[in-house]
Amino acid sequence: GAGVSQSPSNKVTEKGKDVELRCDPISGHTALYWYRQSLGQGLEFLIYFQGNSAPDKSGLPSDRFSAERTGGSVSTLTIQRTQQEDSAVYLCASSPAWGTDTQYFGPGTRLTVL
Amino acid sequence: QQQVKQSPQSLIVQKGGIPIINCAYENTAFDYFPWYQQFPGKGPALLIAIRPDVSEKKEGRFTISFNKSAKQFSLHIMDSQPGDSATYFCAAQASGYALNFGKGTSLLVTP
Repeated sequence: GAGVSQSPSNKVTEKGKDVELRCDPISGHTALYWYRQSLGQGLEFLIYFQGNSAPDKSGLPSDRFSAERTGGSVSTLTIQRTQQEDSAVYLCASSPAWGTDTQYFGPGTRLTVL
Repeated sequence: QQQVKQSPQSLIVQKGGIPIINCAYENTAFDYFPWYQQFPGKGPALLIAIRPDVSEKKEGRFTISFNKSAKQFSLHIMDSQPGDSATYFCAAQASGYALNFGKGTSLLVTP
């Protein structure tokens, strides 16, 4: 079956614009995670969804960031009023269930804010 | 704050050598320690993982050594190959929480 897919693969935007990044998890996976990967900074947790539970938003860096997951499947990460420091690769991962299960990562969306 | 500290930042070894990447943590609630491998333009992929009830785990040419008392764990790559050239991330997780990643080690294996 298909792995985790993300779109777009690259996004260039101007400072102050809003952007939406999409993630399609592996079919049947109930847990979905968003991470941000900045150069030399490793992977930074942003938000996590598990089934119908309220999302864990503890990693979101500011209120300009939000995410939703529709129908327990596709997720969209929205960044409002983008800033240059938002430039990074945004990675989505899914796993069969919450806890210490393998997380399967998508290829990421490279966001560049000019 | 960085909950998992990884070193070195970069590493160059010759083919057949044994690169070793080290990680350290402070949170004793962590109970799952995976290593991820990432190639340019790709997302990270799970390589091998260990839980604190064992001190060593081997999968093929990859070995994790775990020292619970020192709160350290390391990845060893036996008989390294040019195809192993990638960025390696250690991570740690407490049950019910997100993965905490190290900053990564860029490994280059020369022919």
